[in-house]
Amino acid sequence: GAVVSQHPSRVICKSGTSVKIECRSLDFQATTMFWYRQFPKQSLMLMATSNEGSKATYEQGVEKDKFLINHASLTLSTLTVTSAHPEDSSFYICSARRGIRSLNTEAFFGQGTRLTVV
Amino acid sequence: KNQVEQSPQSLIILEGKNCTLQCNYTVSPFSNLRWYKQDTGRGPVSLTIMTFSENTKSNGRYTATLDADTKQSSLHITASQLSDSASYICVARAGGLIFGTGTRLQVFP
Repeated sequence: GAVVSQHPSRVICKSGTSVKIECRSLDFQATTMFWYRQFPKQSLMLMATSNEGSKATYEQGVEKDKFLINHASLTLSTLTVTSAHPEDSSFYICSARRGIRSLNTEAFFGQGTRLTVV
Repeated sequence: KNQVEQSPQSLIILEGKNCTLQCNYTVSPFSNLRWYKQDTGRGPVSLTIMTFSENTKSNGRYTATLDADTKQSSLHITASQLSDSASYICVARAGGLIFGTGTRLQVFP
């Protein structure tokens, strides 16, 4: 199956610093990627939709200046958590759709990034 | 409000036993129903995708069923293995993906 690689898998940073998370589709081109956040024992919550070559679409309540998304190529999207605070500590997951956009297209998920802000 | 509910929240079974996980969804417009397996600290991995016209779909020891009339789905795991220990997430597609909170399955030897 298609592979979506996310890096890093774990990161610990100091409060006030910024952290960049990369999401790569290794064997297919993804015009659209998605960024999710997951708290312990909770479901994935969509943060934003990343569109190649254009601005990301953010879900209600997600600060676009806090969570910067860049989708500069068909195989790479990045999420930068700016001025991180302890409450930003969470599990961040990206996903990408392969092929022609359709409702039944399978979504492939990255391995996730555990962010801990101390 | 689009919603996906799963039961049980957690389940413990012995290796080799079968189990069934349940999912009720209320989404509109409904496109498809997906089951994912998520190991601790990892991203979800797709098990099955079913459209409203499909009643059942298998993937190895995993068999998913869908009843579009009652808006219910189940995931049956046969002859469980220790590696089946994970969270199983039911996801309904209604434009975007609507995620359930998952069932945490633990398989003990």
